[in-house]
Amino acid sequence: EDQVTQSPEALRLQEGESSSLNCSYTVSGLRGLFWYRQDPGKGPEFLFTLYSAGEEKEKERLKATLTKKESFLHITAPKPEDSATYLCAVQATGNQFYFGTGTSLTVIP
Amino acid sequence: DTAVSQTPKYLVTQMGNDKSIKCEQNLGHDTMYWYKQDSKKFLKIMFSYNNKELIINETVPNRFSPKSPDKAHLNLHINSLELGDSAVYFCASSLSLEALKAFFGQGTRLTVV
Repeated sequence: EDQVTQSPEALRLQEGESSSLNCSYTVSGLRGLFWYRQDPGKGPEFLFTLYSAGEEKEKERLKATLTKKESFLHITAPKPEDSATYLCAVQATGNQFYFGTGTSLTVIP
Repeated sequence: DTAVSQTPKYLVTQMGNDKSIKCEQNLGHDTMYWYKQDSKKFLKIMFSYNNKELIINETVPNRFSPKSPDKAHLNLHINSLELGDSAVYFCASSLSLEALKAFFGQGTRLTVV
């Protein structure tokens, strides 16, 4: 069964404390893996797309990596403004889309 | 200047009613979508329209009917609302059919009582 699982569900970090969020997937034929940021009361904001194992993308304090079974979103020296829910999604062959339920990140000053 | 705007932001209604949510985008995108996010933050694509033509229609009850009068608008009409329809509905738009690189609206929180 195709699915996307994110862990942990929630993460609390001290400001400056680096960590990683995980997105594991089982789909028949990966066409792309996507990361989003979602702030409370707002729609998801697209961050990155990864297409093949070994690929990496960076944006400010965020770095996304991809293997054949999972993706990591590394957050380096986070700040309180990085607090949000981070969602990942997978596009599979046959144009199917699957979303994870997100990791709620709280960065404490 | 809002890129993807949807109205209303909040909608509370009784079971059995019919309601509509409107969406407009000013990004010049040719593809628009409706997504549903449940209480557990699970996001699922419902419909996709490309140049006013239905492209993706996931398994959604036929009580939900999208209407696209032009490329910049995609409205969602829901008949005979049920308790399980309570969720946040997001409109989104993108260039071509890159659904997962879409720009999202701020959402409409629908509560059916």
